[in-house]
Amino acid sequence: DAKTTQPTSMDCAEGRAANLPCNHSTISGNEYVYWYRQIHSQGPQYIIHGLKNNETNEMASLIITEDRKSSTLILPHATLRDTAVYYCIVSLDNYGQNFVFGPGTRLSVLP
Amino acid sequence: NAGVTQTPKFQVLKTGQSMTLQCAQDMNHEYMSWYRQDPGMGLRLIHYSVGAGITDQGEVPNGYNVSRSTTEDFPLRLLSAAPSQTSVYFCASRRNRDSGNTIYFGEGSWLTVV
Repeated sequence: DAKTTQPTSMDCAEGRAANLPCNHSTISGNEYVYWYRQIHSQGPQYIIHGLKNNETNEMASLIITEDRKSSTLILPHATLRDTAVYYCIVSLDNYGQNFVFGPGTRLSVLP
Repeated sequence: NAGVTQTPKFQVLKTGQSMTLQCAQDMNHEYMSWYRQDPGMGLRLIHYSVGAGITDQGEVPNGYNVSRSTTEDFPLRLLSAAPSQTSVYFCASRRNRDSGNTIYFGEGSWLTVV
């Protein structure tokens, strides 16, 4: 059970901000929100993660709502190379060890 | 610092053959795991390890064995390859069980069983 809901696909114009939403209404208090992306079946690439506060790094920003039931990943200036499947992950699996990957959002950045 | 290294990158096997996918990490991480990803699908956990000498089954363990004799290495063995095992395999590692720790993935091993 991935415990997250993401749109199946999204389009974004090159140079514009890409805003990828994620719903995680059953998140527990100590669960972080992680974002990964996967390009052309390469290894999943870590983007950003956060617990309560908004986070920003060189790749993206993460906005987490105050009730922590949803979040948004923001790519401020999308490029063609950002075309990928983006995974929002909030939970470990039943074994308590590993992330549960849902189907993710396929982001297409269009020229 | 190489991160997580997988070999081979590509492999073709005949049905019934056995082989080992190698995985090594140089970050002194306690946790290591193997996932498989079929076309158009998400990642599914095969086996994982919480430390040297300790392994356990994930979601889809049948047909695979693992061992963890050292912290660095976590090989995945296919006992008798079947076409259903055609997939991309990813090895991953994580420092420890703290929920704030990131998982790092290797670049993948593409396996075709004919």
